Formats: sequence, structure tokens, C-alpha cells
Amino acid sequence: AQSVAQPEDQVNVAEGNPLTVKCTYSVSGNPYLFWYVQYPNRGLQFLLKYITGDNLVKGSYGFEAEFNKSQTSFHLKKPSALVSDSALYFCAVRNQAGTALIFGKGTTLSVSS
Amino acid sequence: DAGITQSPRHKVTETGTPVTLRCHQTENHRYMYWYRQDPGHGLRLIHYSYGVKDTDKGEVSDGYSVSRSKTEDFLLTLESATSSQTSVYFCAISESRGVNTEAFFGQGTRLTVV
Repeated sequence: AQSVAQPEDQVNVAEGNPLTVKCTYSVSGNPYLFWYVQYPNRGLQFLLKYITGDNLVKGSYGFEAEFNKSQTSFHLKKPSALVSDSALYFCAVRNQAGTALIFGKGTTLSVSS
Repeated sequence: DAGITQSPRHKVTETGTPVTLRCHQTENHRYMYWYRQDPGHGLRLIHYSYGVKDTDKGEVSDGYSVSRSKTEDFLLTLESATSSQTSVYFCAISESRGVNTEAFFGQGTRLTVV
């Protein structure tokens, strides 16, 4: 069965520093991976996705993600964090049937000024 | 947010009463989903629909039913609400079932069962 794990409940970084939000996956077959962000009292917003091709995927708001097949990871990164990046981040993978997304438990990112 | 409207946005109901949540989309997307979000669990799929009158169960479907009589509307019904169904419910849509297709989410409905 497809699954993703987000090993950190919370990540704290200072504004201007690089940030990483971790995600590991377990899939049978090719992985199709996604990152979403949720701001308080809002729905989830799509950030980026990995299908095939380049291991570094660029997305919205300056975020990027690095796909690593040998480590089964898909970490979300940003070179310089902003206070406005503070939010809840979800990693997700398509289920085998392709009918739905399976989400991790989420990581709260807190960026301090 | 993509053209997705959830109603109501907030609801408090009593244990044992029926509750229906509505999701309306203006994108003409074929696939629609209901998820629930709970602390420590992330989002879990309740039911999904792949067309009018075509629905299937997700991971946590017990106690829930759905209906889709029109492309644009997907209803989630709690036949007899329980306190364990207190949650935030999100509707999502996607254009296809392709593995490279992202889903777009509504604003959510906060349901409290007392």
C-alpha cells in the first residue's frame, strides 16, 4: 500500500534561513508525490508535484522539492524562509489505483522574525 | 481557491441527528472527494466520486454516505452523527484520475457533534 511519512511534527527556522520539511514515501511502482500547504482556517493549496524527470522540482512561492529514489524521500525546501511561510505542510502520494491522494500527518512550519 | 464552495462552513449538531454537507464546484471536474482532517491523522479519504451517480468508499467511510446527482454537486451525509465525527471536512476536485493530476481543495466545513 502507498504511504508517506512526515517524521517531524514541527519545524522551527529563523527568517532568512533555509528550510527543509521532510517526507519519506513507501510505494509499489513509480511514486507520484505532491506537497500542499494549509494556512490557518483555509483549505489546502497545491505547491508542487513530482511525476518523472528532474529530481529537483520547482513549485509555487519559491518552494522546491528534492526527490531521492535511493532514500525514498521527497523533502520540501526553500533557500530563504519568510515569516509568511509559517503554515501546515502536507506531503501526499497517489494511491495505486490513481483514484485519490494519501496524505501524511502534516508538519507545522514556524518561521520567526 | 479553485471554484469550490462548501456549505455550511461551520455547524454544531447533536449526537444522533442527520447532517448533510454540500460541495459545489464550477470547474466541471469529473472527480470529487470528501476528506476529514483530524490532529495527528492528517487528511483521510472518506468517499470519492468518479462521475454522476458513481461513488466509492475511502479509508474511513463507516458512518458516512455520499451522493452525486449532478457533476457540480457532491453531498456527504452523516446518517446519525456521533462525537467521533467531530472534525474538519474538506471537499476536493480533480480533472482526472491520472497519477500526475493534483487535487484542489475547498475551504472546509468545521463540524462539531455535541
